[in-house]
Amino acid sequence: DTGVSQDPRHKITKRGQNVTFRCDPISEHNRLYWYRQTLGQGPEFLTYFQNEAQLEKSRLLSDRFSAERPKGSFSTLEIQRTEQGDSAMYLCASSLDRLGEQYFGPGTRLTVT
Amino acid sequence: RKEVEQDPGPFNVPEGATVAFNCTYSNSASQSFFWYRQDCRKEPKLLMSVYSSGNEDGRFTAQLNRASQYISLLIRDSKLSDSATYLCVVINEKLTFGTGTRLTIIP
Repeated sequence: DTGVSQDPRHKITKRGQNVTFRCDPISEHNRLYWYRQTLGQGPEFLTYFQNEAQLEKSRLLSDRFSAERPKGSFSTLEIQRTEQGDSAMYLCASSLDRLGEQYFGPGTRLTVT
Repeated sequence: RKEVEQDPGPFNVPEGATVAFNCTYSNSASQSFFWYRQDCRKEPKLLMSVYSSGNEDGRFTAQLNRASQYISLLIRDSKLSDSATYLCVVINEKLTFGTGTRLTIIP
């Protein structure tokens, strides 16, 4: 399967714990995006990378959130000291260029109890 | 005003009918436009790109009107499998999703 993959698919954690998600983009895509989606809403942009450089971060991305793409391939999104409001679907997408189609992974559904 | 606005629906449409959605955007400098489809608890999947000249893919037709700043999606001869949420996407300096329009096709 050469699509975007994400791991884990589901994560249940207690409030205050740290969680880390992984995204593997389509191999030839140099742009990688993270989104968050809550019920009844469209995906909201969090951050994106071009190769290993993180070029933009949304104001939704508080200090508790950090993302990396160390070698320009896979990316990780870490949430520290999780809060119940962090419960959402975290989606990763990749694209060839800025104006091109983005292809999404299956998402990681986070539940903070 | 939101950057990208869609009628959230729900649209409940009988099988075989034609249904149309519109999506308006506020940034006149927007450059790329897409329609995505999202099934319940699944990721968005690209349905089609949207061009000023209009484009068609089988039963689906997408159109861009730059002067009025809206994009449209027309689904003809709707099938039960078309039931989903349809998201419009606009790219300028960043990519912005609409909140989605929920469509249910009724047998």
